[in-house]
Amino acid sequence: GESVGLHLPTLSVQEGDNSIINCAYSNSASDYFIWYKQESGKGPQFIIDIRSNMDKRQGQRVTVLLNKTVKHLSLQIAATQPGDSAVYFCAETKTQYNFNKFYFGSGTKLNVKP
Amino acid sequence: DAGVTQSPTHLIKTRGQQVTLRCSPKSGHDTVSWYQQALGQGPQFIFQYYEEEERQRGNFPDRFSGHQFPNYSSELNVNALLLGDSALYLCASSLDRGQETQYFGPGTRLLVL
Repeated sequence: GESVGLHLPTLSVQEGDNSIINCAYSNSASDYFIWYKQESGKGPQFIIDIRSNMDKRQGQRVTVLLNKTVKHLSLQIAATQPGDSAVYFCAETKTQYNFNKFYFGSGTKLNVKP
Repeated sequence: DAGVTQSPTHLIKTRGQQVTLRCSPKSGHDTVSWYQQALGQGPQFIFQYYEEEERQRGNFPDRFSGHQFPNYSSELNVNALLLGDSALYLCASSLDRGQETQYFGPGTRLLVL
């Protein structure tokens, strides 16, 4: 089955610095990807998504990059703030008959130091 | 516009018991997916409901069952609880239009003793 993995389980950054969280996926047929942020005791919160016909998408302080050649996804957070401290998950899916079954990695914990 | 809501927030059960968890999708959404998230892990897909039917199922035993009501809300039932069923159970809702984002609720924390 599909698998989504993250390169680093924990990432520590200084407040104000940029953060980069990486994710590798194994299914080359996946065509939709989402980054979620999960704070302690809460459900995953949608951050940004990207479809397979794109290689870059920007949001507010966040950018997602997709490299289909090496099956790699990254989330860049600009000017990281203490409120960004959380676990970040990438999720992938391959659309089948209008059905989305998402596969999640185990997550990367982002620790922002003041 | 209310987001995805789940109840209860926390639950403690003993082995062998049965539990029912509830989910109300985001306004306008018609599809509900359930996930199990063990501590320190990413969410694992249990099943998805659309038009009151189970459309797809993950690698979970049939002790896990569900239901969707005409108003799109959903229930997750787990029978014969095991210690390993202790987890955060997440509900996600979306629109049935192909590649659509799933929005998650806050989850129900289940502890099986």
